[in-house]
Amino acid sequence: EVQLLESGGGLVQPGGSLRLSCAASGFTFNTFLMNWVRQSPGKGLEWVSAMSGSGSSTYYSDSVKGRFTISRDNSKNTLYLQMYSLSPEDTAVYYCAKAHCGDDCTDYLDYWGPGTLVTVSS
Amino acid sequence: DIVMTQSPLSLPVTPGEPASISCRSSRSLLHSNGNNYLDWYLQKPGQSPQVLIHLGSSRASGVPDRFSGSGSGTDFTLKISRVEAEDVGVYYCMQALQAPLTFGGGTKVEIK
Repeated sequence: EVQLLESGGGLVQPGGSLRLSCAASGFTFNTFLMNWVRQSPGKGLEWVSAMSGSGSSTYYSDSVKGRFTISRDNSKNTLYLQMYSLSPEDTAVYYCAKAHCGDDCTDYLDYWGPGTLVTVSS
Repeated sequence: DIVMTQSPLSLPVTPGEPASISCRSSRSLLHSNGNNYLDWYLQKPGQSPQVLIHLGSSRASGVPDRFSGSGSGTDFTLKISRVEAEDVGVYYCMQALQAPLTFGGGTKVEIK
């Protein structure tokens, strides 16, 4: 059974940093592209970032480029999102989501974690 | 970036009746491989999103056959043949043709 479990969320001050983790199990982690998708309170879904299974390719939305860094440790089956220079606009539930098709492609997101809440406030 | 536009914003439905949601993209989602890279997700209250339809018209594993997807290019539709109470939530379309992946604004389906 595929499972994704995010952690690392919490309250952080504006300008601060935070690292999110997503522990994966139930599939061959290093052969699938993984994504971060966020949802601000009461709002819609926003794709944030993705990394290929091998780790060789990374992708970012313009809203986080230069402030967030995606990475993965395939030996630990874990995806990360390092977030810097956080602002209140980054307040959201952050989901990790697995791409269905493979190492460096996305056709659809077939599994999602329960999410972790990041609150940026003074 | 590809802009995804959904309508309606809200959809009150009567159990047993059909329902339809529209999604339009700012550019064609038809790949040279013949697939439309358009997916539909449902986010039930308090839950994470779950995929319903992928590549425009393929039902995901375990999804009831009352859900169907159609369309090609820039215009897509999700249809529920007979709405059930468990179908309430927010429906999103998403394009997977190119990064950044982009979602429609969502359609909230609620029971009348």
